[in-house]
Amino acid sequence: GAGVSQSPSNKVTEKGKDVELRCDPISGHTALYWYRQSLGQGLEFLIYFQGNSAPDKSGLPSDRFSAERTGGSVSTLTIQRTQQEDSAVYLCAVTRRLGHEQFFGPGTRLTVL
Amino acid sequence: DAKTTQPTSMDCAEGRAANLPCNHSTISGNEYVYWYRQIHSQGPQYIIHGLKNNETNEMASLIITEDRKSSTLILPHATLRDTAVYYCIVSFNAGKSTFGDGTTLTVKP
Repeated sequence: GAGVSQSPSNKVTEKGKDVELRCDPISGHTALYWYRQSLGQGLEFLIYFQGNSAPDKSGLPSDRFSAERTGGSVSTLTIQRTQQEDSAVYLCAVTRRLGHEQFFGPGTRLTVL
Repeated sequence: DAKTTQPTSMDCAEGRAANLPCNHSTISGNEYVYWYRQIHSQGPQYIIHGLKNNETNEMASLIITEDRKSSTLILPHATLRDTAVYYCIVSFNAGKSTFGDGTTLTVKP
């Protein structure tokens, strides 16, 4: 929605492999968020980038998870040594300056075999 | 962020108003109430938000009680396309919130 794209749309990987998930947000956003949604459940906050501040990593479930945002725009979520419990839809969202509305991407469905 | 409680599921007849309740009894003074919905296999979609006053936009109305401990999302004329999971979130921040299980609204013909 509103120009937030994510890639790949689907990713199947083997347990123990590393994966990178990409978020391409609209220009002019001020904050970027990553969420995880397990099957049939609500969204779990993972990490948050705002301007040039250090990211808020309080939601990351383990040190196997990391994320970066390059040039204040594109963001990559990396999961190292994937486990089966990492299987979920990973969603990226952005907000605009002074805005309350989050614009979500379509998500990446990760399946760890 | 304050915790919210929503019914697991609700049904509504097409063309009638859908009233979705949310309890947030531990809300603090500067936390907003946000509503999102998620249609199957899509990312969540923003609906509306409010602080103290009732709010209305082209999608819905949000009624917040005077003590702010609960709120109701109103879809005035529900259509089949409104079938979705509706999430009520209370937060200081537009994001950085964990969405609970929400209410599954089924609009029936």
